[in-house]
Amino acid sequence: NAGVTQTPKFRVLKTGQSMTLLCAQDMNHEYMYWYRQDPGMGLRLIHYSVGEGTTAKGEVPDGYNVSRLKKQNFLLGLESAAPSQTSVYFCASRAGTANYGYTFGSGTRLTVV
Amino acid sequence: RKEVEQDPGPFNVPEGATVAFNCTYSNSASQSFFWYRQDCRKEPKLLMSVYSSGNEDGRFTAQLNRASQYISLLIRDSKLSDSATYLCVVNTISGNTPLVFGKGTRLSVIA
Repeated sequence: NAGVTQTPKFRVLKTGQSMTLLCAQDMNHEYMYWYRQDPGMGLRLIHYSVGEGTTAKGEVPDGYNVSRLKKQNFLLGLESAAPSQTSVYFCASRAGTANYGYTFGSGTRLTVV
Repeated sequence: RKEVEQDPGPFNVPEGATVAFNCTYSNSASQSFFWYRQDCRKEPKLLMSVYSSGNEDGRFTAQLNRASQYISLLIRDSKLSDSATYLCVVNTISGNTPLVFGKGTRLSVIA
């Protein structure tokens, strides 16, 4: 089992460019999440999904969009990248009950110049 | 009051020492609790779940105090490899709400 796989692992964007981060999980998990982590800020939830075809806003959703067309994939899009979106992005998934923790992907390091 | 609060540290301890971290949570209806470990520039990884009766995994012991709304992590016989940031995680409401992460406590174990 690969668990949670994030692509790409690193990316440098110019301000105003767009990109999509892909998260794929092979554990048949219902719930998937996108977080960003900045120094001193901890993990902040961007968007999440409680099942195929559903999405919901987290703590810091502005400037991002998401889609969950297939259960195993959760895409995070940046339509017009800004330097403030320079961060490490983590995807996570969880099975359907509250008693289970998350499994995280290894992260995407994004720099917007 | 923040939902999940942790002392950011750093805690600098010698090898072999015992160290304890506490974490407080604000929602008395919280259902499930976890400790995660995060190494520098890596993803968080589940260290252990925290059960009402307390639980132990080798050198690690986790406890929950619902009355005072805190959970603790005790590490005995610290190893250099225990150096990391430890995240306290709480599920504030049962069901499909996202877990709430503390900002973490940094531990450095020194030779």
